[in-house]
Amino acid sequence: DVKVTQSSRYLVKRTGEKVFLECVQDMDHENMFWYRQDPGLGLRLIYFSYDVKMKEKGDIPEGYSVSREKKERFSLILESASTNQTSMYLCASRGGQDNEKLFFGSGTQLSVL
Amino acid sequence: GQQLNQSPQSMFIQEGEDVSMNCTSSSIFNTWLWYKQEPGEGPVLLIALYKAGELTSNGRLTAQFGITRKDSFLNISASIPSDVGIYFCAGFPSGTYKYIFGTGTRLKVLA
Repeated sequence: DVKVTQSSRYLVKRTGEKVFLECVQDMDHENMFWYRQDPGLGLRLIYFSYDVKMKEKGDIPEGYSVSREKKERFSLILESASTNQTSMYLCASRGGQDNEKLFFGSGTQLSVL
Repeated sequence: GQQLNQSPQSMFIQEGEDVSMNCTSSSIFNTWLWYKQEPGEGPVLLIALYKAGELTSNGRLTAQFGITRKDSFLNISASIPSDVGIYFCAGFPSGTYKYIFGTGTRLKVLA
C-alpha cells in the first residue's frame, strides 16, 4: 500500500511565524501535491510538483511556497502565517503504473492565532 | 476552483440499508475516483474507475463510471455504523494534473 506521511497532525502557530509542513511518500511517485480543505470550499490545490526541484502553482499559491529537494519529500512553507491560513492541509502523491490514483496523507490541522 | 456536483449532500440511514450517491460533471473525465474521509483524517481511496460503463466493487462498495463519461455512482450495500463519514468523488481529465473534487456526501448510519 502507498503510504503518504505528514509529519504533524495538529499545529498551532502565531501570526507572522514561518511554518513548515512536511510530507513523505514511500512509493517513488513522481507527482506530489499540497491541498487545503475548508468547509464549504472543498479541496483547493496550492502547489503541485511533477519532479524533484520542479513545481507549479495551483489555484491558491499566494502566501505559500514549496520545496522538493528529494523525490520522496515535498514541503509546504508558510513564509508568514496569517489567520486566514488556518485550515486542514493535505498532501497527496501519484505515480507509477497506476498514475491516475491519488493517495492522500492523514492531514495536518493548522491553527494560526 | 471547479467542483463536481455531488448528491445527496447528506444522508441519515438505518443500519442495514443500502446507500446510493452520484457525481456529475459538465466535462468528460477519463478517470473517476471515490474517497471516504473521516473527521480529522485524510481521504482514503476506495475505488478507481477508468472507462465508460465500468462497474467495480470493493467489498460492500460498488462504483460505476457513467456511459456519458460525465458522471459516476457509488453504492454501499447493507450499511454498518463504521460507514459513517464523508464520501467524495474526484475526476481526472486527461492531459492535466488537476483533479476536480466533488462537494461530498455526508453519511450517518443509525444503529
